[in-house]
Amino acid sequence: QKEVEQNSGPLSVPEGAIASLNCTYSDRGSQSFFWYRQYSGKSPELIMFIYSNGDKEDGRFTAQLNKASQYVSLLIRDSQPSDSATYLCAVTFGNEKLTFGTGTRLTIIP
Amino acid sequence: KAGVTQTPRYLIKTRGQQVTLSCSPISGHRSVSWYQQTPGQGLQFLFEYFSETQRNKGNFPGRFSGRQFSNSRSEMNVSTLELGDSALYLCASSPGLKVDTDTQYFGPGTRLTVL
Repeated sequence: QKEVEQNSGPLSVPEGAIASLNCTYSDRGSQSFFWYRQYSGKSPELIMFIYSNGDKEDGRFTAQLNKASQYVSLLIRDSQPSDSATYLCAVTFGNEKLTFGTGTRLTIIP
Repeated sequence: KAGVTQTPRYLIKTRGQQVTLSCSPISGHRSVSWYQQTPGQGLQFLFEYFSETQRNKGNFPGRFSGRQFSNSRSEMNVSTLELGDSALYLCASSPGLKVDTDTQYFGPGTRLTVL
């Protein structure tokens, strides 16, 4: 059974601080890793994807991938109240479609 | 480019009925995937269609079926509805050419309530 695990939270972070979201996955053969943001009552929207070990930066967001340790993380710098949402980690295993974690609920405190 | 569209947005049915949901992908995308999202189970993969063929399938009973048309639009059907089928049904579109790095974009979803 391919699994993607996330801490459900809630994770509370002061405005302006760095929010760190973590995700672990069970299959060493996993190839592609995605972070989605989902506001309450809305559909998931893609934030970033990462395929290679290391860091990938996009604006205030940085995805970090460590395949040896089987984890992927998302850092949000200068957190804003608008970043309050549920963050979903998703992993592709081989030719199978995305497997999602259950999400981490993030709250940015003004 | 227009995003992924889903119709209807909201639906109320009773147990035993059947329902058909529709999804129009982003122009040029050939893959459409369907997901069920519930508070308890999170996002669960139903199936994926690519070029009118089912390419991947999740672990859902046969009451859940789908199809894809030549214009890449897709429909999902659920027969003999059960109370537990109440969920947000999400459609995701992607180019579909390289499965392992395919990036999916979600539609707004159809909220199905079964009474």
